[in-house]
Amino acid sequence: ETGVTQTPRHLVMGMTNKKSLKCEQHLGHNAMYWYKQSAKKPLELMFVYSLEERVENNSVPSRFSPECPNSSHLFLHLHTLQPEDSALYLCASSQEGVSNYGYTFGSGTRLTVV
Amino acid sequence: DAKTTQPPSMDCAEGRAANLPCNHSTISGNEYVYWYRQIHSQGPQYIIHGLKNNETNEMASLIITEDRKSSTLILPHATLRDTAVYYCIVRTGNQFYFGTGTSLTVIP
Repeated sequence: ETGVTQTPRHLVMGMTNKKSLKCEQHLGHNAMYWYKQSAKKPLELMFVYSLEERVENNSVPSRFSPECPNSSHLFLHLHTLQPEDSALYLCASSQEGVSNYGYTFGSGTRLTVV
Repeated sequence: DAKTTQPPSMDCAEGRAANLPCNHSTISGNEYVYWYRQIHSQGPQYIIHGLKNNETNEMASLIITEDRKSSTLILPHATLRDTAVYYCIVRTGNQFYFGTGTSLTVIP
């Protein structure tokens, strides 16, 4: 276990469904991130939250809606997804303000949109 | 955008040292080099990081050239469980941007 827990591990949803991905970190970090990894592609940074405020949104479609209620929890709300949104969604946390601090990743949620 | 370039794939015989190169010619003076690896469909796992000096931990060694424009990750005795995609990352501000990495295959 890395200290970053993602649930569910696998999710299959229809294009008209609404679902949420959850991430929880037990490391006392103050920043959290969502990444998307499509098949045979590099990880793409989606959202960055620092001290519970969103500081980065890398042109992500509005059908993805993040929420960070506190520094330990991060959600990704999904609605009206497309089949091309099928991917591995990874959550990470870090301690911002420390220049040599790395990221700790969760195990990911494998999302399939049908 | 990723600031690093790596060979797309490499093979290594089991028990031998695996040397994975990375170019980061545009690195700034205060930017760290990080190495992560990703085993199929799992989250990336931290391996090692460094700024100027060579670093070693229980997993690997990191050799950074004096001009800091390139580095090499060394797995001293590769095992089959080291088969993974290895990412070299230069931290830009507070964010990591991943490139395509090197797919390392350890051969029995």
